[in-house]
Formats: sequence, structure tokens, C-alpha cells
Amino acid sequence: DIQMTQSPSSLSASVGDRVTITCRASQTISSYLNWYQQKPGEAPNLLIYAASSLQSGVPLRFSGSGSGTDFTLTISGLQPEDFATYFCQQSYITPPTFGQGTRLEIK
Amino acid sequence: QVQLVQSGAEVKKPGASVRISCKASGYTFSDYYMHWVRQAPGQGLEWMGWINPNSGGTNYAQKFQGRITMTTDTSITTAYMEVSSLRSDDTAVYYCAKQITGGLWYFDLWGRGTLVNVFS
Repeated sequence: DIQMTQSPSSLSASVGDRVTITCRASQTISSYLNWYQQKPGEAPNLLIYAASSLQSGVPLRFSGSGSGTDFTLTISGLQPEDFATYFCQQSYITPPTFGQGTRLEIK
Repeated sequence: QVQLVQSGAEVKKPGASVRISCKASGYTFSDYYMHWVRQAPGQGLEWMGWINPNSGGTNYAQKFQGRITMTTDTSITTAYMEVSSLRSDDTAVYYCAKQITGGLWYFDLWGRGTLVNVFS
């Protein structure tokens, strides 16, 4: 199975900050990388698919980049509603696997 | 409205079985694979398998083979997953998730989750 490693595991930031979360795959996955946001008690919500494509309805402050094994999710200008947990997920090979999550907290 | 509505929370004893449902609406149910993903308390997301509602074909994670069964009833656009021989470490929130078709695929719609609590 492909292992997905996110960093950091937690992050404190302030409203208006720019934050970056990284995700590394244990082998190349081309651009088969998706990002999800999950708030407490809620289901994950798709933000970015295919490494850099913004899902419809997701604010433009979210962006994704990378290919191969290294990927980033950037949030430019944090808003109060962005404080949540973020997961990456590879869809290159079955089984699809997820990163362990990055918890974004208010500083 | 495009949504997946899951069944309510369950409490089970070790060794029992549980069946969770996932009612789809707002899209053509048979056209999209349905996956099941679980999340143990405070943990990350773990993929369990998928089912093709059109054919009934399934693909289960090796870890769960022999212990889970995924089915669908296309007449009522509902997917089911049964987990048998429950253990305490099966305590988790179980999500159904719709897969978008195509090579670069992803989960574009999730249910709100079903909590299964296994304890004696």
C-alpha cells in the first residue's frame, strides 16, 4: 500500500495568515492526489482534486500543487471557518490511502 | 438535492454484526461507485472497499475480506455494508462516499457518517 505522510500533524495560525500543509507519498502517484477538509462531527469535504484542481464552490484562497511524491495545500488568508482538519488522499493505486491529517487550530 | 443519508448510530456487542445503510439521492445511483471509509475515534480515515451499483461488483480492502459485505438495492438507491464478527477496535464512524468516474478520481460526496460502538 502507498503510505501518505502529512506534515505538520497540527498547526496554529491566525485569521488572515497563509498556511501550507504538505503531503508526501511513499512512491510516485503522478497527480492522483486529493485534499479534503473535515470539521468536528462532519463528513470530509472535497477541496482539491488531481493535485491542483479546485472543487466547485470551494473558495479561491485554497490551492494545491505538486506531482510525483510531494504535494502541498495552501490556504491564503485564513478565515474563521477554515479551522479544521485536512487530509490528503491518493487515488493512484487501490487501496486508496489517506494521510493522517493536519489539524489547523486558531492561535 | 444531491446527498447521501446514512442510518443512525448502532451499539453492538463483540461478535455481533451490523448493517449500515446509505441512501443516495439527486444523481443517477447506478452510474457511480460507492465506497465505504471508516474513522476510529481520534484517528485518520481508512478505506474499506467499494461496490459498483450497476453490476454489484465489489472490491474489499484485504484487511476486511471475509468480514464485510457490500450490497446495493438500486430500486431504492441505497447502499449497504454489513460488518460481521465485530470487535472493540471496530468502534468507528463509518462513511459512505461517492466516487467520481474517470482516471483522476476522487470522492465528491460523503454521507454524514454512522457511529458504530462495539463494547461488552
